[in-house]
Amino acid sequence: AQSVAQPEDQVNVAEGNPLTVKCTYSVSGNPYLFWYVQYPNRGLQFLLKYITGDNLVKGSYGFEAEFNKSQTSFHLKKPSALVSDSALYFCAVRDIWSSASKIIFGSGTRLSIRP
Amino acid sequence: DTEVTQTPKHLVMGMTNKKSLKCEQHMGHRAMYWYKQKAKKPPELMFVYSYEKLSINESVPSRFSPECPNSSLLNLHLHALQPEDSALYLCASSLGAGTSTDTQYFGPGTRLTVL
Repeated sequence: AQSVAQPEDQVNVAEGNPLTVKCTYSVSGNPYLFWYVQYPNRGLQFLLKYITGDNLVKGSYGFEAEFNKSQTSFHLKKPSALVSDSALYFCAVRDIWSSASKIIFGSGTRLSIRP
Repeated sequence: DTEVTQTPKHLVMGMTNKKSLKCEQHMGHRAMYWYKQKAKKPPELMFVYSYEKLSINESVPSRFSPECPNSSLLNLHLHALQPEDSALYLCASSLGAGTSTDTQYFGPGTRLTVL
């Protein structure tokens, strides 16, 4: 079965420092991976996705993610955190066994950036 | 433009009421989705429409009734809900519904409270 795991419920980073939000995956076949962000009382916003090609994927708001096949990971990164990056982050994987574009979400990681 | 709109933003209803949630997109997407999200949890898929036909029903109780009048509109009709149905209801759309690489774009959600 397809799944993703986000091992950290919360990540705390000082403003200006680099941040990493972790995600590991378990899939049959090629993984199609996504990152979404959710600000309080808002819908999910798409950040980036990995389909194939370069292992470093660049996305919105200065975020990037590194696909690592040997470690089955897809960690989200940003070189310099902003207070406005504080939000709930979800990693997701495409469910290839579904006839529709069903995606399976991780449990979410709350990112808190302190000034 | 990757905008999905949802109305209303907030809805309070009694257990005997009938109400509807509305979702709209004008991106030419042919797949539309309803999700339910409880606080601090990932979204849970409820329904998927592909080319205006229901393709996935994730064993959702019949008090939730989806409708797709045309390719741009998606409704969720609510009747005889329970307090535990209180949640954020998210709509999403994607270009197709069978393509692994499609990105789902989410609306801002409707915050539903059932009294």
